[in-house]
Amino acid sequence: QKEVEQDPGPLSVPEGAIVSLNCTYSNSAFQYFMWYRQYSRKGPELLMYTYSSGNKEDGRFTAQVDKSSKYISLFIRDSQPSDSATYLCASSEEAAGNKLTFGGGTRVLVKP
Amino acid sequence: EAGVAQSPRYKIIEKRQSVAFWCNPISGHATLYWYQQILGQGPKLLIQFQNNGVVDDSQLPKDRFSAERLKGVDSTLKIQPAKLEDSAVYLCASSLGDLTGDYEQYFGPGTRLTVT
Repeated sequence: QKEVEQDPGPLSVPEGAIVSLNCTYSNSAFQYFMWYRQYSRKGPELLMYTYSSGNKEDGRFTAQVDKSSKYISLFIRDSQPSDSATYLCASSEEAAGNKLTFGGGTRVLVKP
Repeated sequence: EAGVAQSPRYKIIEKRQSVAFWCNPISGHATLYWYQQILGQGPKLLIQFQNNGVVDDSQLPKDRFSAERLKGVDSTLKIQPAKLEDSAVYLCASSLGDLTGDYEQYFGPGTRLTVT
């Protein structure tokens, strides 16, 4: 069993819809939870991170973590074609961003 | 601010050949990471450097992979000999690291390796 699991998609939505992405993890020691966006033939870029359980909002993006169920979510409101990318969740036991364990990524396609 | 630079961007080699990848991190970043990303999968950490010392190389196949970071700046990752299953994108990332406690990683564009 992989430590961080994601549905690979692809997830296709019309422009303006809400994109809902999820990950599950198995390592109870994970404390930091990150979401990265990766465009084709580019490196991942950090979208946002949360510490422990709770919600965090940044513009059109909302991240949620439920440690009791080991469930991580990312919501993208008012989706745009430019949001078409692969979204990777990642977790770490230590300081945010260090020693990351990535999920496999979910490919998202936002159609105009 | 210049980002993480990697070269070459693409490389095609035959199995059993050797190959090397180069990474130049963001200036001032003490921590450098090499990841392997197989098509359809997330990045897997191969090795992490803090300055020129190795912090974690637990997932590096040491019988064929080696990496160094001379003078705590640029880094090279080498594969010798390559196998078909090494076909992947090799990503380099850097972060400020231990000095500041800021581990936000900035990724380079990657080197796409095809082993035939």
